[in-house]
Amino acid sequence: EMQLVESGGVVVQPGGSLRLSCAASGFSFDDYNMHWVRQVPGKGLEWVSVITWDGSSTHYADSVKGRFTISRDNSKNSLYLQMNSLRTEDTALYYCTKEERISRGYYFYGMDVWGQGTTVTVSS
Amino acid sequence: DIQVTQSPSSLSASVGDRVTITCRASQSIGTFLNWYQQKPGKAPILLIYAASSLQSGLPSRFSGSGSGTDFTLTISSLQPEDFATYYCQHSYSPPITFGQGTRLEIK
Repeated sequence: EMQLVESGGVVVQPGGSLRLSCAASGFSFDDYNMHWVRQVPGKGLEWVSVITWDGSSTHYADSVKGRFTISRDNSKNSLYLQMNSLRTEDTALYYCTKEERISRGYYFYGMDVWGQGTTVTVSS
Repeated sequence: DIQVTQSPSSLSASVGDRVTITCRASQSIGTFLNWYQQKPGKAPILLIYAASSLQSGLPSRFSGSGSGTDFTLTISSLQPEDFATYYCQHSYSPPITFGQGTRLEIK
């Protein structure tokens, strides 16, 4: 069974930093592009970032560009999100997701596996 | 950046109804359009990928169509378990964006 398990969500003060982790199992992690998506409770889904299967390319939403860094360790089947200069508007449930197909070109696809999410609260 | 606009934002329907949700992209995205269903307190699930491909294991009453800028999600005969929020999402090029969501409620 394909599974993603996020961790690292806590309460942090504005301006603080946090690192989220996502442990993958049940599939060949190093074959797939991986994303972070967030959701404020009661609101819609917001895409945050993507990293290609080999880590060679990363992209970010404008709202987090320059503050967040996505990375992966294929030897550990793990995805990360380093979050710096946190703002109150970053408060959300953060999901780790896997694309539904292997991509070796500059293409991105739908997300067929989602974790249960980890909650980040930015508050003084 | 490419934006995707969903309509309607909410919809009331009855069991057995046929329902259509639309998604419009701000520029042509080919078939790089996906649909998700989310129930309260749960992670989203992928329903339709590449505009019209039904995700494995899901009932055939869900279908998707469209290409370019205009897309639709159709549920042919609503079942009680289909009442949820639905999102479209483009994956044509980053930044990837989701639609605002359509909340499907029981009439």
